[in-house]
Amino acid sequence: DADVTQTPRNRITKTGKRIMLECSQTKGHDRMYWYRQDPGLGLRLIYYSFDVKDINKGEISDGYSVSRQAQAKFSLSLESAIPNQTALYFCATSATLSGANVLTFGAGSRLTVL
Amino acid sequence: GQNIDQPTEMTATEGAIVQINCTYQTSGFNGLFWYQQHAGEAPTFLSYNVLDGLEEKGRFSSFLSRSKGYSYLLLKELQMKDSASYLCAVRSFTGGGNKLTFGTGTQLKVEL
Repeated sequence: DADVTQTPRNRITKTGKRIMLECSQTKGHDRMYWYRQDPGLGLRLIYYSFDVKDINKGEISDGYSVSRQAQAKFSLSLESAIPNQTALYFCATSATLSGANVLTFGAGSRLTVL
Repeated sequence: GQNIDQPTEMTATEGAIVQINCTYQTSGFNGLFWYQQHAGEAPTFLSYNVLDGLEEKGRFSSFLSRSKGYSYLLLKELQMKDSASYLCAVRSFTGGGNKLTFGTGTQLKVEL
């Protein structure tokens, strides 16, 4: 099984629908992140969490919300999806005590908003 | 703010050596990472530099010059499976903690 699991892997939805992307990890890491990737723009941070009671906005948090249900689970919600939220979404984890703070990414969730 | 530049695309021949450059402008520099991302897959960690110099790991090496705001990833003995996007990411320390910014990636195509 993958260390970082994202569901769903692919989702097509319509404008205005509520969407939740889920992420779970078995690495025992305390830090979790949500990124989106768009062609030509690179990976951009949406939200991050350093532990269950800690939630922080990234550089592009508007239109998104998150929930850290447990140390191993971090979900991303789009309350009312819009077409420019069509992107590839990655969940990632890292360990606080790791000097390099290397990110381990999930396989990605491809979201299409029509 | 931060600015990271890397070439959009590169092509190289199997068995050859290729160098992918990354230049950056940032305050509070606190480390530079290289990740590899195959099409449709997750990025995976390749290397980390925080001090000047060369870090070698098998066929892959990464170099950093903090004074020049410059790094490169060197891939030796290229294999077809090295065809992927290579992401440069810079970590900087701000008042609120560390921030990691990714470049847009260099798409490497390895040809026979």
